[in-house]
Amino acid sequence: AQKITQTQPGMFVQEKEAVTLDCTYDTSDPSYGLFWYKQPSSGEMIFLIYQGSYDQQNATEGRYSLNFQKARKSANLVISASQLGDSAMYFCAMKDSSYKLIFGSGTRLLVRP
Amino acid sequence: KAGVTQTPRYLIKTRGQQVTLSCSPISGHRSVSWYQQTPGQGLQFLFEYFSETQRNKGNFPGRFSGRQFSNSRSEMNVSTLELGDSALYLCASSLEDWGGTNEKLFFGSGTQLSVL
Repeated sequence: AQKITQTQPGMFVQEKEAVTLDCTYDTSDPSYGLFWYKQPSSGEMIFLIYQGSYDQQNATEGRYSLNFQKARKSANLVISASQLGDSAMYFCAMKDSSYKLIFGSGTRLLVRP
Repeated sequence: KAGVTQTPRYLIKTRGQQVTLSCSPISGHRSVSWYQQTPGQGLQFLFEYFSETQRNKGNFPGRFSGRQFSNSRSEMNVSTLELGDSALYLCASSLEDWGGTNEKLFFGSGTQLSVL
């Protein structure tokens, strides 16, 4: 069965520093997509970045990059130059062809000034 | 372009009542899915609709139901509410029509349901 694991319930990072949020996944499907979402206190899930299972290069979106290691089944999110507004819950998610996202338990990131 | 709109934003009900939540997807999006978020269980998939047809359903009791209209708007209904139904209910829309793994889901702000 598909599964997403985020082992860091909470993380602190100093403003302007980089931070890595861990995510491992498990699936037997050769075709899948990996996503990261940000959820601020308002509740809305904000799409950050996507990585396809067949993509050769790591995805990047502005200050966000995804460190995709397929053999290790990991898809860590790297946020560079952290800002105070980055404080939020971050969810890793996986999607196969079954029309649904499977989410990890999330990591709460707090950016210190 | 307007985002995904969910109404109401907050809802308070008592046990045994029923509730209907509404979701308007991004214009042009034909897939709508629903998720339940609780502190204990995290984010769990409820169901997904495309062109008024339910294509997938999560592991929830029959008290949870949904539907999609011809304009892609969707509603979910919970009957005979229980205390454990208190949660943030999130709706998401996407373009997808073939179950592509790269289709991004765009979420609304959710409806916070409290069952007393």
